[in-house]
Amino acid sequence: EAGVAQSPRYKIIEKRQSVAFWCNPISGHATLYWYQQILGQGPKLLIQFQNNGVVDDSQLPKDRFSAERLKGVDSTLKIQPAKLEDSAVYLCASSLQGAPGNTIYFGEGSWLTVV
Amino acid sequence: GNSVTQMEGPVTLSEEAFLTINCTYTATGYPSLFWYVQYPGEGLQLLLKATKADDKGSNKGFEATYRKETTSFHLEKGSVQVSDSAVYFCALIMEYGNKLVFGAGTILRVKS
Repeated sequence: EAGVAQSPRYKIIEKRQSVAFWCNPISGHATLYWYQQILGQGPKLLIQFQNNGVVDDSQLPKDRFSAERLKGVDSTLKIQPAKLEDSAVYLCASSLQGAPGNTIYFGEGSWLTVV
Repeated sequence: GNSVTQMEGPVTLSEEAFLTINCTYTATGYPSLFWYVQYPGEGLQLLLKATKADDKGSNKGFEATYRKETTSFHLEKGSVQVSDSAVYFCALIMEYGNKLVFGAGTILRVKS
């Protein structure tokens, strides 16, 4: 079974530039998550989708971050304009449903460095 | 709010040593508890989980017991290997929730 796919794996941009990350979840998984993992910290949820609807985006900095999940499958996370503090690993994850009993599977992450 | 606290690392052990990584949680209700592992350059992988008090999760020689009375979920392994070197994250999901809340992670380094 293919896992959660993410791209690009690595990105270096200058502050105030924009960047976009792409995620393809495991086939059939209705729930998709984007987490931000800053070095030395645990991952923090940015946004959760159930199919193509947003369930939780309470910790998404909406002035600069946006995410969409068209057709309830792939998702993109965009940052515009980027700040130095956005340097982190952006993890996409998916699960069959959003209930606690379903395992959440993570991709390898997209490593962002803002200089 | 709900939170997870892990022992600070890095933890450095010799091969075949006994491992304990402490994890405690604060939650209103009855969470499910997880340990995830992140090997260098890779994403998070589920290591083990427990969904109710006194449950023991186990996988690859690792185990952890859900202790409601001490709100803990400590990770243990009897004999670590160099290949166990990674970052270990303790996490919870509330019974009616749908998002993982992670601890800060603990770096484990095993020397041969």
